[in-house]
Amino acid sequence: DAKTTQPPSMDCAEGRAANLPCNHSTISGNEYVYWYRQIHSQGPQYIIHGLKNNETNEMASLIITEDRKSSTLILPHATLRDTAVYYCIVRPHGSSNTGKLIFGQGTTLQVKP
Amino acid sequence: DTAVSQTPKYLVTQMGNDKSIKCEQNLGHDTMYWYKQDSKKFLKIMFSYNNKELIINETVPNRFSPKSPDKAHLNLHINSLELGDSAVYFCASSQPRGSGFSYNEQFFGPGTRLTVL
Repeated sequence: DAKTTQPPSMDCAEGRAANLPCNHSTISGNEYVYWYRQIHSQGPQYIIHGLKNNETNEMASLIITEDRKSSTLILPHATLRDTAVYYCIVRPHGSSNTGKLIFGQGTTLQVKP
Repeated sequence: DTAVSQTPKYLVTQMGNDKSIKCEQNLGHDTMYWYKQDSKKFLKIMFSYNNKELIINETVPNRFSPKSPDKAHLNLHINSLELGDSAVYFCASSQPRGSGFSYNEQFFGPGTRLTVL
């Protein structure tokens, strides 16, 4: 599975957009980009995933560059409850997919009042 | 209703003991997982079962034995507990979709904090 690189920590003001970057320069054609987050003392929570098109759901937007070597997770109006560790994960679909998630160190997002 | 539940939430025990952690999901998923999160917060896959069959075993010591009595349950039994087994253990489930085996979203339980003294 491709490796991802994320900044270890970021701050964001409450109510502002939080933009979390992720580099995955070795991503291959059948690998999707997934984002999960882990709020303190809870299990990880799925946020969003995508292949090459931008995606949006009720939680966030995912912007993937045209060459697919990097992506950005956008939380449009961050709240204090969005303070968490955010994980960017790439994973293949298809017969090589065992379903397992390989977590890196993630980005600790601190939303401040 | 809780989608993925684990019991117990906390487990404190002595070195050398044998203990079990239970996991149940009510989502109707075919695939269940165990992950371990160590003291440095590094989260790592241990096992995965699909329809009660083992499909992932990430070189976990054989003191750890997962058991899946049915596809809604995946229990983790640990023999001869060691200090290094202290961690938070998370259970998760997902549903393979379509012929491309797209697992998409995994649902995680609240975790079991195991402390070995």
